[in-house]
Amino acid sequence: EDKVVQSPLSLVVHEGDTVTLNCSYEVTNFRSLLWYKQEKKAPTFLFMLTSSGIEKKSGRLSSILDKKELSSILNITATQTGDSAIYLCAVDRGSTLGRLYFGRGTQLTVWP
Amino acid sequence: DSGVTQTPKHLITATGQRVTLRCSPRSGDLSVYWYQQSLDQGLQFLIQYYNGEERAKGNILERFSAQQFPDLHSELNLSSLELGDSALYFCASSPGAGNTIYFGEGSWLTVV
Repeated sequence: EDKVVQSPLSLVVHEGDTVTLNCSYEVTNFRSLLWYKQEKKAPTFLFMLTSSGIEKKSGRLSSILDKKELSSILNITATQTGDSAIYLCAVDRGSTLGRLYFGRGTQLTVWP
Repeated sequence: DSGVTQTPKHLITATGQRVTLRCSPRSGDLSVYWYQQSLDQGLQFLIQYYNGEERAKGNILERFSAQQFPDLHSELNLSSLELGDSALYFCASSPGAGNTIYFGEGSWLTVV
């Protein structure tokens, strides 16, 4: 059975801290791994990682895909209260026409 | 704003009733996906349409059905509603397989 597991489930830090969120997966025909940020409602796209693009960076956020370990990390440096959200990891299997398999998410809370 | 439009934003209905959720995908996107998000289940894939045809089915109940119309908008029909159907229902769209999926703001369904 395909699985996407995120850890930790919840994380509370102070502004300025650096956090690392983890995602591991067991799927057949892996195509890509995506990170989304969900604040109040709609998950918003952050990164897509594939075999040809295993590292992405945008401002204080960066992500790495480890295809050997079947995992990915999402790093957020110098956290701000606006980073408080649920971070979702999803995997796209090549055989399923774009359907995403989601993990349960990591709830990040940043205190001022 | 992802460009995916969902209506209604919120609805409250009684058990046994039927509701229809509507989704307009981003301009040019042929694939439409429906996901259900509840507190205890996370994001669950329901069904996918591509250019009017059903392409993949997930954990969609027989009481639920969906369709994609020639103008590419989609509707998710939920019937014989039960309390457990209360959830946030997301529509998402993408140009096709291998592309990033963008989510709408979701429709909050409360069954009382």
